[in-house]
Parts: sequence; structure tokens; C-alpha cells
Amino acid sequence: GAVVSQHPSWVICKSGTSVKIECRSLDFQATTMFWYRQFPKQSLMLMATSNEGSKATYEQGVEKDKFLINHASLTLSTLTVTSAHPEDSSFYICSGLTTARGYDEQYFGPGTRLTVT
Amino acid sequence: DAKTTQPTSMDCAEGRAANLPCNHSTISGNEYVYWYRQIHSQGPQYIIHGLKNNETNEMASLIITEDRKSSTLILPHATLRDTAVYYCITHHGTASKLTFGTGTRLQVTL
Repeated sequence: GAVVSQHPSWVICKSGTSVKIECRSLDFQATTMFWYRQFPKQSLMLMATSNEGSKATYEQGVEKDKFLINHASLTLSTLTVTSAHPEDSSFYICSGLTTARGYDEQYFGPGTRLTVT
Repeated sequence: DAKTTQPTSMDCAEGRAANLPCNHSTISGNEYVYWYRQIHSQGPQYIIHGLKNNETNEMASLIITEDRKSSTLILPHATLRDTAVYYCITHHGTASKLTFGTGTRLQVTL
């Protein structure tokens, strides 16, 4: 299967600072990338859908000014958590979508664990 | 996407077949059934998907009932590395988002 990487794999930051997470599709082009958040013992919750070259579409309840998403190329999307607070501590997962085989295939990154102190 | 219902947890002995059920009684005619799994602290991994017919790949088999209201994911010879949360998701398959439910936590034991 195709490979998606995320960087960093974990990060600890102080409250009030901003953190950028990168998501890269290594061996395929992803016109659409998705960002999810997962709190302990809970399922993945979609935060936003990102299409290359256009503004992201955010799910209800997700603050677009707090979670800045940029999808500047077909292989890279970034999520910036601005003015992070302890409640933003979570496991952030991205995925890239390809339809090269005629159907949806969504490949997930390994996740980034964010801890805000 | 149609709502899916899965058991919260299941146990399976190593080497035996793991059969994970999923109910999707409101599935529409053009919705696929997708299965993903998530091993602890990792991103989800695609397993298999199908529309009407049963499907098999190197990881698993997917059995879909004739009325498409339920399906079963079969891991033919479960190993300890198959311990994970398994998600059954219905999806139109046209570049749209996935909605994850609570999934089934499969514990494979010696």
C-alpha cells in the first residue's frame, strides 16, 4: 500500500505557543488529505478536509482560525495548532486519498501525539 | 454514510479465525463497506472493502449478506499482531470523508 508520513511523531509544547504538523504522501499524489483528532479511548474524529490548492473544509465545531491547514502541493499538507492549550493535547492523524485504482483508497499517517503543558 | 453497529469487544485465540460482525441495515445501494483497523497508538490501516460480492485479499475476507444489511470480516488465522480496534465503515467511495464509529476491540490471546 501507499505510504503517508507525519512529522513530528510526538511534540511537547508550552501553552500559548503554536505547533506545526506535516503530513506527506511519499509515493502517491493526494489531491485530498484529511486531518483527524483522537482523544484517549475514543474514535477518530474528522477535523477537516483539505484539497490541494484550495481552502480546507472544517467540520462543525472545529475552529478554522485555531487549526490552520495548508495543502500547498499534492504530497504535503500541514496542520498548525495556534495558541495551543492543554485541551488541544491529542493524537493528530492525517490521511491521503487516492483513486488511482478506480476506487477510494485512504492511507493514514502514523499520527502525531501533541502534549501541551 | 449509513450508521454501523459493531460489538464493543471480542476475544480470539491465536491461530483461530476471527469473525468480526457489522450491522449496516440502512446502507444505500451505492455505498461500499470498508474495514480499517487501528493498532494501539498508530494510524488506521486499510484492510478490505466490498460492495455486493464477497471479497478476499492477503489480509482478510469480507462476507456481505445478500440484502447487504450486514457483513463479517474474517481474519482466517489470527495472530497476536492482529490485536487492534477494527472499524466497519460504509462509504460512497467517491472522494468523500470517512466517519469512524467506535469499532470492535479485538484481543488475540495465546
